[in-house]
Amino acid sequence: EVQLVESGGGLVKPGESLRLSCAASGFTFNTYTMHWVRQAPGKGLEWVSSISSSSSYIHYADSLKGRFTISRDNAKNSLYLQMNSLRAEDTAVYFCAKDGVRFGGSYCYYFDHWGQGTLVTVSS
Amino acid sequence: EIVLTQSPGTLSLSPGERATLSCRASQIFSSDYLAWYQQKPGQAPRLLIYGASSRATGIPDRFSGSGSGTDFTFTISRLEPEDFAVYYCQLYGSSPTFGQGTKVQIK
Repeated sequence: EVQLVESGGGLVKPGESLRLSCAASGFTFNTYTMHWVRQAPGKGLEWVSSISSSSSYIHYADSLKGRFTISRDNAKNSLYLQMNSLRAEDTAVYFCAKDGVRFGGSYCYYFDHWGQGTLVTVSS
Repeated sequence: EIVLTQSPGTLSLSPGERATLSCRASQIFSSDYLAWYQQKPGQAPRLLIYGASSRATGIPDRFSGSGSGTDFTFTISRLEPEDFAVYYCQLYGSSPTFGQGTKVQIK
């Protein structure tokens, strides 16, 4: 059974940093692109970032303006999101999601499994 | 950047009725590259349809997807009580895009 478990969320002040983690199990982690998707309170889904299976291809939403960094450790079956210079508008539940296509390369397909999410609140 | 617009914003129906949701793209893209998700309050989204019309594993056949070009449709043939939720369409790509969602609520 595929399991994705996010951690690292919390309350931070504007300008501070936070690192999210996602522990994966139940599938061959090093063969799938992984994603972060966020959802602001009461709002829709927003794709944040993706990283290919070998970390060769990384994509970010334009709105992030270089503040976030995605990474993965295939030896630990883990995905990360380093978030710097956080703003109030980054307040959201952050979901870790698995791509539905094995060895998808640089392309992002669909999200066939999701974690339960971790809440990030940016407030003074 | 392709924008996905879902309609209606809210759909009020009764159990047993048919639900038809629309997802329109601002420009033509590969017709297979669309997915649909269901999200209930406090839960993560769940993949229902990928490749515009293929049901994900374990998804009942009352859920279906169709369309091509710029216009895509998601249909629930007969609403069950557990189907009342928010539904999102999503475009594949190097920068995946979601529609704003359609809420299907009990009438």
